[in-house]
Amino acid sequence: GEDVEQSLFLSVREGDSSVINCTYTDSSSTYLYWYKQEPGAGLQLLTYIFSNMDMKQDQRLTVLLNKKDKHLSLRIADTQTGDSAIYFCAENYGQNFVFGPGTRLSVLP
Amino acid sequence: DAGVIQSPRHEVTEMGQEVTLRCKPISGHDYLFWYRQTMMRGLELLIYFNNNVPIDDSGMPEDRFSAKMPNASFSTLKIQPSEPRDSAVYFCASSFAMGGQETQYFGPGTRLLVL
Repeated sequence: GEDVEQSLFLSVREGDSSVINCTYTDSSSTYLYWYKQEPGAGLQLLTYIFSNMDMKQDQRLTVLLNKKDKHLSLRIADTQTGDSAIYFCAENYGQNFVFGPGTRLSVLP
Repeated sequence: DAGVIQSPRHEVTEMGQEVTLRCKPISGHDYLFWYRQTMMRGLELLIYFNNNVPIDDSGMPEDRFSAKMPNASFSTLKIQPSEPRDSAVYFCASSFAMGGQETQYFGPGTRLLVL
């Protein structure tokens, strides 16, 4: 079946870069997404990438897509304490939308 | 737009009681999703609607769960009877289309505790 995998925890120091990784299984995925969930809130879309792209940059966020390995990553430059949250990777293929388990990012002062 | 609205924000009930969760999607969105989030199982899609019609309810855990969407601006998720293992955060989300560049907008969630 369809599966999106992520490591569950990541800790970084304030000011460092964070890299959150995700692997997905369906090669026909057309769009891949990164969502952020802050404590006590719902998920909020951070960015997405179309499957024919390798990279997308949006301010401090860089998304890298390796279709061959079905690997997606989210890099947050100059990580701040406000970036502490759970980050979900998600894939979309056809009428299916599958979320990963989420990576809890802790930013240490 | 006020975004996706869910009520109540918190619900504490006793085992065996009926629980009704409510959702108002963003106006104009044709898709509505119900999710459940727990520490053990993460985020699970329970059911989604397109134009008020249930499309995929394969994620609904069992017959105790039911969802309705009587019109484009309102949906309910009902648990009857509730059990302690139903304790979770339930999210409603809506979108203009399914996937693509059309993201799902999530509500703030309902935190359910069944004692």
